[in-house]
Amino acid sequence: EDQVTQSPEALRLQEGESSSLNCSYTVSGLRGLFWYRQDPGKGPEFLFTLYSAGEEKEKERLKATLTKKESFLHITAPKPEDSATYLCAVQDDKIIFGKGTRLHILP
Amino acid sequence: ETGVTQSPTHLIKTRGQQVTLRCSSQSGHNTVSWYQQALGQGPQFIFQYYREEENGRGNFPPRFSGLQFPNYSSELNVNALELDDSALYLCASSLGTRNEQFFGPGTRLTVL
Repeated sequence: EDQVTQSPEALRLQEGESSSLNCSYTVSGLRGLFWYRQDPGKGPEFLFTLYSAGEEKEKERLKATLTKKESFLHITAPKPEDSATYLCAVQDDKIIFGKGTRLHILP
Repeated sequence: ETGVTQSPTHLIKTRGQQVTLRCSSQSGHNTVSWYQQALGQGPQFIFQYYREEENGRGNFPPRFSGLQFPNYSSELNVNALELDDSALYLCASSLGTRNEQFFGPGTRLTVL
């Protein structure tokens, strides 16, 4: 059965304290892996698409990487405005989302 | 460039009723996907429409149905509402079926 597991479920960091979020997946044929940010009560906001192992994408303080079994979202020197739920999704013949990691950055 | 819009924002229905949710896709996008998101969970795929045809369906019963119109806007219909249907319903549009999706703000459905 295709699965997407995100860890940790929740993470509290001090402002400036870098960390990584994990997304592990088991799908028969990966066609793409997506990262989204979701603020409370809003729709997910697209961040990155990764297609093949070894690929990396960066945007401001965020960097996403991909291996054959997992993806990491690295957050460097986060700020309070980075607080949100980060969702990972994988696509084979349909899109499967993980439950997300709730990130809270303390000032 | 106009983003994805959804209506209504909030909706309260009673068990057994029917509901229609609407979505306007982002300009230039020909694919619309619908998701159900329960509190504290990730979005669950309901179905996808590509050029007015259903292009994949998740594990949802037939009382969840949809339409896509020639202008690529879409509707989600849910019949015989159940209490467990209470959730945030998200619409996402994309250019093609394999590219990144852009989400609307969602419709919060409460079934009493």
